[in-house]
Amino acid sequence: DQQVKQNSPSLSVQEGRISILNCDYTNSMFDYFLWYKKYPAEGPTFLISISSIKDKNEDGRFTVFLNKSAKHLSLHIVPSQPGDSAVYFCAALSSGGSNYKLTFGKGTLLTVNP
Amino acid sequence: NAGVTQTPKFRILKIGQSMTLQCTQDMNHNYMYWYRQDPGMGLKLIYYSVGAGITDKGEVPNGYNVSRSTTEDFPLRLELAAPSQTSVYFCASSSTGSNQPQHFGDGTRLSIL
Repeated sequence: DQQVKQNSPSLSVQEGRISILNCDYTNSMFDYFLWYKKYPAEGPTFLISISSIKDKNEDGRFTVFLNKSAKHLSLHIVPSQPGDSAVYFCAALSSGGSNYKLTFGKGTLLTVNP
Repeated sequence: NAGVTQTPKFRILKIGQSMTLQCTQDMNHNYMYWYRQDPGMGLKLIYYSVGAGITDKGEVPNGYNVSRSTTEDFPLRLELAAPSQTSVYFCASSSTGSNQPQHFGDGTRLSIL
């Protein structure tokens, strides 16, 4: 019973183009969402987050969009660079609790071709 | 900038052996977490701690134990290792607040043979 779903195991894009990574969730209690980036043999690194009171958050080349009614979020990377090639995990939490436990999706492997 | 440090990086155990995975953080974070990641899967929470002396179970706690005697350290104990525990284990920490992201160590790759 996956509460956070990343339905695309992999995505390949050309350098300079836009990368769009998608994430769906089922738990209505989730109200804070994060994207992590993971290189091989390293731990996940925080990339960007969004609260449910917003529908967009931007940080440089990275933008996260949240559609609460559809329980869907997406990460846009513009322009994509070869160094962006990594596994991207979507994660969610319910801030109503006091433990800030994250629920992760399975990840999407992004490959940016030069 | 050490952040979250995990040791060892790799380990091979025989079925039935025990071991402790070490995790220490130097950011004075109250919250610490242990996850496991199986191939092709997301990270699943094993145990977490909201402060020294306080621990609680996550999604997949069976076969593991933790302790939190100091703010810095959060070791994960495997008793009677089983092949199903072959995985990559990640430790993470965060400060208080839902908007504080978790910081991860580089993981321990554990094989049970």
